Amino acid sequence: TQLLEQSPQFLSIQEGENLTVYCNSSSVFSSLQWYRQEPGEGPVLLVTVVTGGEVKKLKRLTFQFGDARKDSSLHITAAQPGDTGLYLCAGEGLRDYKLSFGAGTTVTVRA
Amino acid sequence: GAVVSQHPSRVICKSGTSVKIECRSLDFQATTMFWYRQFPKQSLMLMATSNEGSKATYEQGVEKDKFLINHASLTLSTLTVTSAHPEDSSFYICSARDPQGGRSYGYTFGSGTRLTVV
Repeated sequence: TQLLEQSPQFLSIQEGENLTVYCNSSSVFSSLQWYRQEPGEGPVLLVTVVTGGEVKKLKRLTFQFGDARKDSSLHITAAQPGDTGLYLCAGEGLRDYKLSFGAGTTVTVRA
Repeated sequence: GAVVSQHPSRVICKSGTSVKIECRSLDFQATTMFWYRQFPKQSLMLMATSNEGSKATYEQGVEKDKFLINHASLTLSTLTVTSAHPEDSSFYICSARDPQGGRSYGYTFGSGTRLTVV
């Protein structure tokens, strides 16, 4: 059983469209981190959100942390083929530094 | 930024042999490092927490005698898969966080090691 429920599992869209990935849990986290992983590589950090209600923007990517620090979303505007990859959310425990990962969302952006 | 180097990137070994994987923090000191395992098309599963100068703590279901972890210095943790079997074939990844960054920093991951046991 995943501590973090990530959805959807797969997402295939046309270039220029928008997409949103969700990460939900019944647990409270000290931080929520989003990573992107390429095949055969380790995950690369995109953003860390720490404060409930926080919104962070990185160019076309917008990250939100729920008010209760239990859920998060990643929104990509005007997706490009370069956005193709596996997106992973990970919650950091309140009392330890362990990360619990969601199952991942495989995003494919078609040219 | 923080860099974590993992070596080797790929290894093929025979059943019954042992394999050592190294994880180094290149520009920061890490008292704690983490080891994950990832099966194809699946997410990362935490195996153990490597603690510098003390014993590693293992997640439930992970055999500590099979997956030996040594964190002898502030920049190096090693994972040794002992008496490897084909079912140990997987992608192993380590991570660490620069302590100067605090919780607003995420973790830096190594590039992973693809282990194939034949």
